Amino acid sequence: DAMVIQNPRYQVTQFGKPVTLSCSQTLNHNVMYWYQQKSSQAPKLLFHYYDKDFNNEADTPDNFQSRRPNTSFCFLDIRSPGLGDAAMYLCATSRDGGLEKLFFGSGTQLSVL
Amino acid sequence: AQSVTQLGSHVSVSEGALVLLRCNYSSSVPPYLFWYVQYPNQGLQLLLKYTSAATLVKGINGFEAEFKKSETSFHLTKPSAHMSDAAEYFCAVSRMDSSYKLIFGSGTRLLVRP
Repeated sequence: DAMVIQNPRYQVTQFGKPVTLSCSQTLNHNVMYWYQQKSSQAPKLLFHYYDKDFNNEADTPDNFQSRRPNTSFCFLDIRSPGLGDAAMYLCATSRDGGLEKLFFGSGTQLSVL
Repeated sequence: AQSVTQLGSHVSVSEGALVLLRCNYSSSVPPYLFWYVQYPNQGLQLLLKYTSAATLVKGINGFEAEFKKSETSFHLTKPSAHMSDAAEYFCAVSRMDSSYKLIFGSGTRLLVRP
């Protein structure tokens, strides 16, 4: 039973066309994370929510934003995707930031044409 | 600052041979250390973790890792490789005093030859 669900599995967008990726969880975890993983590279943390508190990494481009309307859902918005934003986007959750219990979704593979 | 270095972007072994994937970390404070596995087009799955208890940590699928403070290492091993072990493996570190953020290594792709 999937506990962290990411939709869609594959997303194709056009250069400059806004796109939204979604993540939902059935674990009732406080913390939700978004990671960007480019081809053959390590996942890189973009931002995380602790409950409703948003925490942006210092080097996350302004082009990337996030929304968390409730405990279960978190969205990643890319306002004007560039070719360099093509990547796998991974959502993860944890209870109270405890990384020993970090659960990842299967990811959304974003292509930018 | 914390960092993780994984030596060898690709490791190739024969089925049944020992698997050794290397990870060295840098941390100014006691770390938590993790190994994750990623199969093609999938998310990351936790293999094992070190959180200051036993230095030899056993994980899923027959993998284990040993925390060696003197060598700042946390190498991943498995006595006998299976074809199903072929995947990307990531070592990661976080701070014990600020556990929100995982820093990942660049990954090692394990290839298993028949």
